[in-house]
Amino acid sequence: DAGVTQSPTHLIKTRGQHVTLRCSPISGHKSVSWYQQVLGQGPQFIFQYYEKEERGRGNFPDRFSARQFPNYSSELNVNALLLGDSALYLCASSPSGQGYGYTFGSGTRLTVV
Amino acid sequence: AQSVSQHNHHVILSEAASLELGCNYSYGGTVNLFWYVQYPGQHLQLLLKYFSGDPLVKGIKGFEAEFIKSKFSFNLRKPSVQWSDTAEYFCAVNADTDKLIFGTGTRLQVFP
Repeated sequence: DAGVTQSPTHLIKTRGQHVTLRCSPISGHKSVSWYQQVLGQGPQFIFQYYEKEERGRGNFPDRFSARQFPNYSSELNVNALLLGDSALYLCASSPSGQGYGYTFGSGTRLTVV
Repeated sequence: AQSVSQHNHHVILSEAASLELGCNYSYGGTVNLFWYVQYPGQHLQLLLKYFSGDPLVKGIKGFEAEFIKSKFSFNLRKPSVQWSDTAEYFCAVNADTDKLIFGTGTRLQVFP
């Protein structure tokens, strides 16, 4: 079975630009969560979606948005990029979103210059 | 608010040494607890998890963790580390929401 897949793996953007990151969960998993991991820190929760509805939102500005599609894949969008948005963005999927056995993808490394 | 503290930021051991990484959380209710490992250049992998029952949890690769409710702790242990255990280790908690709250991580270096 394929794990959680994220694309692209690496991305370089300029300040002020917009970026879209994509995530495909494990087959059968209906919940997708997004995390930001800045170098030297633990992952920080951004969003969780379950059955296409937002279940939770972390302490991130409105420049960050996400959505989940009928096939349970998800996109994370970040507008007006700042240098501080440079990080590893992780997607995690789980069957029910109740905190059971989240499986993480390899992440997208975003560099803002 | 929930929080997780990992007091050991960087641990250096020789092979065959015993390992214990500390993890404390702040939350008064029922929690689910996790340890994740991130090997160099790889994604986060689940080592073990605690939801309920026996507070001594065994995970993959010989790791175990003990949940001590009175101390709000979930320390990770391994009796004998190997060079291949070199990685970053994250403790995480999940309580009355679906999000995981991670600690800042402990970098483990094991020398042959």
